[in-house]
Amino acid sequence: QVQLQESGPGLVKPSGTLSLTCAVSGESITSDWWSWVRQPPGKGLEWIGEIYHSGNTNYNPSLKSRVTLSLDKSQNQVSLKLSSVTAADTAVYFCARHCIGHRCHYYWGQGTLVTVSS
Amino acid sequence: EIVLTQSPGTLSLSPGERATLSCRASQSVSSNYLAWYQQRPGQTPRLLIYGVSSRATGIPDRFSGSGSGTDFTLTISRLEPEDFAVYYCQHYGPSPPMYTFGQGTKLEIK
Repeated sequence: QVQLQESGPGLVKPSGTLSLTCAVSGESITSDWWSWVRQPPGKGLEWIGEIYHSGNTNYNPSLKSRVTLSLDKSQNQVSLKLSSVTAADTAVYFCARHCIGHRCHYYWGQGTLVTVSS
Repeated sequence: EIVLTQSPGTLSLSPGERATLSCRASQSVSSNYLAWYQQRPGQTPRLLIYGVSSRATGIPDRFSGSGSGTDFTLTISRLEPEDFAVYYCQHYGPSPPMYTFGQGTKLEIK
């Protein structure tokens, strides 16, 4: 069974960098695409970006200048960095594995709340 | 960039009734890339439908998806108590390569 677990600081200061890790178990991260999605409190879902096991990435144009996704194959982890954060970046951040052969998100982590505040 | 608009914003129905949720795209989209998710309060999103009409593994057959072009529909034939949740449609657009979600439809108990 594939399991994803996000982790990282729950509080980040404005103008700082948000850094999260998604630990994957039950499957190698070399299997497919992996995405990050976020959800501000009480609001809808926003796709942040995706990374393939080759290292190829695609980012949401609205966040592209601030986002970096990376893989750690030795740890079987996917990482997210979001720079120059503001209160608008406060959200629950999810990592997700894509559907095999289709463009959708099949497995999701439980999500981690990150609050941007001084 | 494609915008997905879901309607209604809130749908109030009773268990046993039929629910019809709409997702409209700002321009014609590929049917291969339209999906639906359910999110219960405090839970993670759950894939229901991909490729417009294919049910994900373990999804009951009371859930069905249809549509083409710019108009897509998620239908729940007979509502069960656990179906009351927020539903999102999602599209993948290859140019630029990105996913877009609709703003969601809240299905609440009447």
